[in-house]
Amino acid sequence: AQKITQTQPGMFVQEKEAVTLDCTYDTSDQSYGLFWYKQPSSGEMIFLIYQGSYDEQNATEGRYSLNFQKARKSANLVISASQLGDSAMYFCAMREGPSGTYKYIFGTGTRLKVLA
Amino acid sequence: DSGVTQTPKHLITATGQRVTLRCSPRSGDLSVYWYQQSLDQGLQFLIQYYNGEERAKGNILERFSAQQFPDLHSELNLSSLELGDSALYFCASSARLAGGQDTQYFGPGTRLTVL
Repeated sequence: AQKITQTQPGMFVQEKEAVTLDCTYDTSDQSYGLFWYKQPSSGEMIFLIYQGSYDEQNATEGRYSLNFQKARKSANLVISASQLGDSAMYFCAMREGPSGTYKYIFGTGTRLKVLA
Repeated sequence: DSGVTQTPKHLITATGQRVTLRCSPRSGDLSVYWYQQSLDQGLQFLIQYYNGEERAKGNILERFSAQQFPDLHSELNLSSLELGDSALYFCASSARLAGGQDTQYFGPGTRLTVL
């Protein structure tokens, strides 16, 4: 079974609008971390936001917020006020396992295109 | 700039050859992870080192090997290269966030093309 599932291969959003990128995860660990990374066409992987499994509040970083629904095992990324520069591939990832031997598992990504 | 460096940026070689990819983690980070990203694919975890010791192995082929040196830089060796090894190879180092949890910061990647 997939540990990280991103069901949207591609998304379009109009500039200045908000967009939600979906991510569901599967783990039996009680302590885990959830991440989102952005990969522009230039190829680098840029860390965006982190949510810990014990964090009660949803994480926010500027225009990025993570909608964490633990019971549903979902960790959706919300980008507010989309900009043309947000066009990129977005990967959801999970860190699980004991400290020191963490495993990071990535989803297959969602390609976001922001339209002018 | 994540602080993780990788060299070279691009590498073009022929089938059957051997190459070495190099990574220097962020200052103070002891963990190094290697990933392979084939065209339009997600990241596949290859191997992790912590302070010179191998800690975890993912989908790493036997033709591939890695090591982490006392100065904490790491090298990924790919041998008997095949066309299917063409990919973007990332190195990441692990850092502790303000909340005490670990995350990864990625290098710019090495794009390997096997002809």
